[in-house]
Amino acid sequence: ETGVTQSPTHLIKTRGQQVTLRCSSQSGHNTVSWYQQALGQGPQFIFQYYREEENGRGNFPPRFSGLQFPNYSSELNVNALELDDSALYLCASSLRTGRGETQYFGPGTRLLVL
Amino acid sequence: SQELEQSPQSLIVQEGKNLTINCTSSKTLYGLYWYKQKYGEGLIFLMMLQKGGEEKSHEKITAKLDEKKQQSSLHITASQPSHAGIYLCGADGGGSYIPTFGRGTSLIVHP
Repeated sequence: ETGVTQSPTHLIKTRGQQVTLRCSSQSGHNTVSWYQQALGQGPQFIFQYYREEENGRGNFPPRFSGLQFPNYSSELNVNALELDDSALYLCASSLRTGRGETQYFGPGTRLLVL
Repeated sequence: SQELEQSPQSLIVQEGKNLTINCTSSKTLYGLYWYKQKYGEGLIFLMMLQKGGEEKSHEKITAKLDEKKQQSSLHITASQPSHAGIYLCGADGGGSYIPTFGRGTSLIVHP
């Protein structure tokens, strides 16, 4: 148990739709990162939020957006879904101390786009 | 951008055998993380290495960081079926925090 939860666990959408995935961080963690993991691949960094501001972004288009709330929960929104968006979406929370961060991952949301 | 190459891609061993998984970075390693993932689930943090030559152990799993070779190795002693899963190495990007992960090594341990 990492203390990080994600919802929903599974989701099926059709091409062109929009989806919102949610993450509840471990208590006291001020940083949340989102990753996309395709089958047989390592997680790909989407973006990171630190104290409600986007703090880094991977090579993902603007239709991937996010929010972090004052209670440190966060959302990942994906617009205009494409078939290639089918993947496991992971969030990870961490506490930024300037001395290296250990990320604690949630169980993931498996998204299938038809 | 930084890339992490893991080897082997997959491993099948008999229970009780020792094994080693390697992770090689294309750039300087500022921090190297090892995670374990059960199929389709989240990543479980195993250990973090930050200094060249650093070695850490967690139960029967030992990881080392060779900063000069930009490489880390994960060694499992006397493997058990509970060790089965996907082992992933991850690294932060130093000053620009863009974390990178390897593709993972799939481990199967036969009883």
